[in-house]
Amino acid sequence: DSGVTQTPKHLITATGQRVTLRCSPRSGDLSVYWYQQSLDQGLQFLIQYYNGEERAKGNILERFSAQQFPDLHSELNLSSLELGDSALYFCASSVRTGEKYFGPGTRLTVL
Amino acid sequence: EDQVTQSPEALRLQEGESSSLNCSYTVSGLRGLFWYRQDPGKGPEFLFTLYSAGEEKEKERLKATLTKKESFLHITAPKPEDSATYLCAVQALETSGSRLTFGEGTQLTVNP
Repeated sequence: DSGVTQTPKHLITATGQRVTLRCSPRSGDLSVYWYQQSLDQGLQFLIQYYNGEERAKGNILERFSAQQFPDLHSELNLSSLELGDSALYFCASSVRTGEKYFGPGTRLTVL
Repeated sequence: EDQVTQSPEALRLQEGESSSLNCSYTVSGLRGLFWYRQDPGKGPEFLFTLYSAGEEKEKERLKATLTKKESFLHITAPKPEDSATYLCAVQALETSGSRLTFGEGTQLTVNP
């Protein structure tokens, strides 16, 4: 158990819909990272927040957005969903620039 | 652009048959190289961080080493429970934030 929690574990939805994925970092960790893992692309960095502020952006689509709240939990919002958005979405946390600990992931299926 | 290439893509070993996994990287300046283990449908599990060429770290049957261009994950006398995908990732000095760039992974299967 890494100490990072993610909900829900599974999410099945239809194209065009909007979903919200939630992540709670390890106690004391200020940074939260979101990654997408699909079968054909491996782990792709989406976005990083540090203590409530956006720190870095990766290959995140405009239809996706995220935020980190004062209690340090983070949410990833995915809208206008397409079939290709089906993937595992992982959240990771770290104290600063060191080791990143990953949560168990949310499996999103878009039908 | 930071790049990480892992080889082989897949590796089958017999229990007790030692081997090595390779991770080649290209990065403007290396802040750290990370190894993770991932079981199917689970989140990556942190194994090691290496920061400078010549550094080595060990954990049970695993030993990670680092040179200026690549890292090796040596598996000594593996057991079936070592079967997993092993991921290598780099963090660059000049990267905004502290993101990791991952390789595609090596899928290891250890047969009893």
